[in-house]
Amino acid sequence: KAGVTQTPRYLIKTRGQQVTLSCSPISGHRSVSWYQQTPGQGLQFLFEYFSETQRNKGNFPGRFSGRQFSNSRSEMNVSTLELGDSALYLCASTWDRGEVTEAFFGQGTRLTVV
Amino acid sequence: AQSVTQLDSQVPVFEEAPVELRCNYSSSVSVYLFWYVQYPNQGLQLLLKYLSGSTLVKGINGFEAEFNKSQTSFHLRKPSVHISDTAEYFCAVSEKGSYIPTFGRGTSLIVHP
Repeated sequence: KAGVTQTPRYLIKTRGQQVTLSCSPISGHRSVSWYQQTPGQGLQFLFEYFSETQRNKGNFPGRFSGRQFSNSRSEMNVSTLELGDSALYLCASTWDRGEVTEAFFGQGTRLTVV
Repeated sequence: AQSVTQLDSQVPVFEEAPVELRCNYSSSVSVYLFWYVQYPNQGLQLLLKYLSGSTLVKGINGFEAEFNKSQTSFHLRKPSVHISDTAEYFCAVSEKGSYIPTFGRGTSLIVHP
């Protein structure tokens, strides 16, 4: 069974540009969550999508957005990039039927804003 | 809302020594508890989880953790560490009915030869 796949693994962008990151969850998982990881702030929750709808949202500005497709694949977009957006962006998928189990993480996308 | 505190940001230890990584949580409802490990430039991998039942939980790579409800703790232990255990360890809590875990800031375990 394939794991969570995130593409690309690495990105370098310039301030002011926008970027789109992709996440393919484990087959059968309908919930996809996004996290931003930085040395200073640790893991911070961005948002969660379930059945193409944003179900939960963290405390990030509107420049951060996402969507989920009918096959559960998800994308997140960051517009007007700032230097502080440099981080490892992690995607996690969850089997959300019945008993809660753990979140399965992808390897992340390392975004560097210059 | 739940929160997680990992009391040590960094834990240095010598190879073959025992180690304990501390985690405390706060929540007004019943919770699920998790420990994840992150190796450099990788995502998070589940070490172990507590959902219900026995408070002593065994995970992969020889790690175990004990859920203590009265002390709201979920400390991670390993009796003898290896160089390859050097990594970042995250404690996470999820309230029953929620699928969004809250993570601690992480503890960097550094194993010296």
